[in-house]
Amino acid sequence: GNSVTQMEGPVTLSEEAFLTINCTYTATGYPSLFWYVQYPGEGLQLLLKATKADDKGSNKGFEATYRKETTSFHLEKGSVQVSDSAVYFCALSRGSQGNLIFGKGTKLSVKP
Amino acid sequence: EAGVAQSPRYKIIEKRQSVAFWCNPISGHATLYWYQQILGQGPKLLIQFQNNGVVDDSQLPKDRFSAERLKGVDSTLKIQPAKLEDSAVYLCASSLETGDSYEQYFGPGTRLTVT
Repeated sequence: GNSVTQMEGPVTLSEEAFLTINCTYTATGYPSLFWYVQYPGEGLQLLLKATKADDKGSNKGFEATYRKETTSFHLEKGSVQVSDSAVYFCALSRGSQGNLIFGKGTKLSVKP
Repeated sequence: EAGVAQSPRYKIIEKRQSVAFWCNPISGHATLYWYQQILGQGPKLLIQFQNNGVVDDSQLPKDRFSAERLKGVDSTLKIQPAKLEDSAVYLCASSLETGDSYEQYFGPGTRLTVT
């Protein structure tokens, strides 16, 4: 079946450090891939997405590239800020219904 | 634009009691989702509505969970009777239409504790 695997957290970085959160997926066919973010005390919100192989999603300095050959969608940011502290969820959607299958989430803490 | 509203925000009940959650989606959004998020896990879809019809309820434990969206707007999710393992955050989301090209907007969730 369809599934998403994310790297375990928590991840603690210093401000301006480089961030990578690994995400791999299992799916038949060609899913759409997403990163959602949940800031403390807030609801989940879409960070970026990619709908086909080799697409790069980007937003707020974050990027992720849809790699079909490695079934991966790793999240990266060149220089994190304290305000990036949140829980990040990788997700996939397959089929016309659009419902999402999420990974377990990775908590990121950025220290000044 | 108002976001997805949910109530209550927190609920504590004893096992075998019943509980209901309410969701008001973004105005004009045809598709509504209920997700269950157990601590330390990602959200899991329970049920998806398109207007007032059910699109997918394959992961809804139908012996105890029920949901409705009678007029194609607000929705309620009910648990009766609750079990300890139902302790979780229940998230409601909505999107303009069904399909992965339509962004899902999430509400703040209802945190349920079953004792």
